[in-house]
Amino acid sequence: GESVGLHLPTLSVQEGDNSIINCAYSNSASDYFIWYKQESGKGPQFIIDIRSNMDKRQGQRVTVLLNKTVKHLSLQIAATQPGDSAVYFCAENDAGNMLTFGGGTRLMVKP
Amino acid sequence: EPEVTQTPSHQVTQMGQEVILRCVPISNHLYFYWYRQILGQKVEFLVSFYNNEISEKSEIFDDQFSVERPDGSNFTLKIRSTKLEDSAMYFCASSGASIQSSGANVLTFGAGSRLTVL
Repeated sequence: GESVGLHLPTLSVQEGDNSIINCAYSNSASDYFIWYKQESGKGPQFIIDIRSNMDKRQGQRVTVLLNKTVKHLSLQIAATQPGDSAVYFCAENDAGNMLTFGGGTRLMVKP
Repeated sequence: EPEVTQTPSHQVTQMGQEVILRCVPISNHLYFYWYRQILGQKVEFLVSFYNNEISEKSEIFDDQFSVERPDGSNFTLKIRSTKLEDSAMYFCASSGASIQSSGANVLTFGAGSRLTVL
């Protein structure tokens, strides 16, 4: 079936460096993509989203890039901080209110 | 900041028993959801609920599962005859508008209820 997946299960970065977390999706009907952060013991927390009519969207220290040609989504975190350590999920939506989540990447920030 | 509150935080049950997981969505929200996350795996959609009825459900949400909004504040997930593979973290979420119209930033997740089936 259609799925959303991630290339890297764990990413370790030095504090202050930039982080890039990648996600591949296979549902070409998806028109809306979201990145979530999940800290231990908590529910997913919205970070940033992008609709399929855009290829880039910036937030505070975060940027999401969408490449519809190769069905690839990435999350860039600038100047990564220890508080960014978490599991990051991409999610997609093609209709209605259902979100399909990817498998998650654990980001570990070394001080 | 308004929160989605879930109880219990952790429930241990014997296989075959029924469990009810409770959620108090944000008070003015209209859309309600249950997701689950098996340990170490991705978050999976179970069901969405709007206007007192199920609006979408996944293949996971079979006859073993049911949802209810018994009063103006609670939203419950009932799992009948629990199986070992039902062990997971169950997340409730709510939103004031549909994701398609307003975006996922309107969606708030609770901290989850961990279900352990022995």
